[in-house]
Amino acid sequence: AQSVAQPEDQVNVAEGNPLTVKCTYSVSGNPYLFWYVQYPNRGLQFLLKYITGDNLVKGSYGFEAEFNKSQTSFHLKKPSALVSDSALYFCASSNTGKLIFGQGTTLQVKP
Amino acid sequence: EADIYQTPRYLVIGTGKKITLECSQTMGHDKMYWYQQDPGMELHLIHYSYGVNSTEKGDLSSESTVSRIRTEHFPLTLESARPSHTSQYLCASTWTSGNEQFFGPGTRLTVL
Repeated sequence: AQSVAQPEDQVNVAEGNPLTVKCTYSVSGNPYLFWYVQYPNRGLQFLLKYITGDNLVKGSYGFEAEFNKSQTSFHLKKPSALVSDSALYFCASSNTGKLIFGQGTTLQVKP
Repeated sequence: EADIYQTPRYLVIGTGKKITLECSQTMGHDKMYWYQQDPGMELHLIHYSYGVNSTEKGDLSSESTVSRIRTEHFPLTLESARPSHTSQYLCASTWTSGNEQFFGPGTRLTVL
């Protein structure tokens, strides 16, 4: 069965430091992988996706993610965190037209 | 901001009431989805539609029902609301499976 895991409930970083939010997947075939962000009382906003091609994907707001097939991972990264990046982040996969979400990771960036 | 709308944004109702959560998109997307987001933050697919007159149940069993009479409209109905239905409901749409889904702002439902 298809599944996505985000092993950290919360990630804390200081403003200006690099951040990483982890995601691993278990999908048969070639997965489509996505990252979304959710701010309080809002819907999900799309950040970036991996379909095929270059393993390093660049997205909105300076975020990027690296697809690693051997480790079945798709970690979200940003070189320098901002306080405004504090939010709930979801990794998701799809190879059937339906998204399967990870549990979500709360990112807290402190000044 | 994506052109997908949900109303109401917040709803507090008593047990046993019938409610309909509205979702509309102006992007001409064929595929539409309803997700339930519980207090623990996880998102679960409860219904989806790949076109007019096509609806399917998602991975999480739900007592709600949906309809898709028009491409742009995908309402969700609860015939008799219960406190266990208290949750946030998110609607989404997309063109094809490889494309990102666009999400509405959500409806936060509280059943007393």
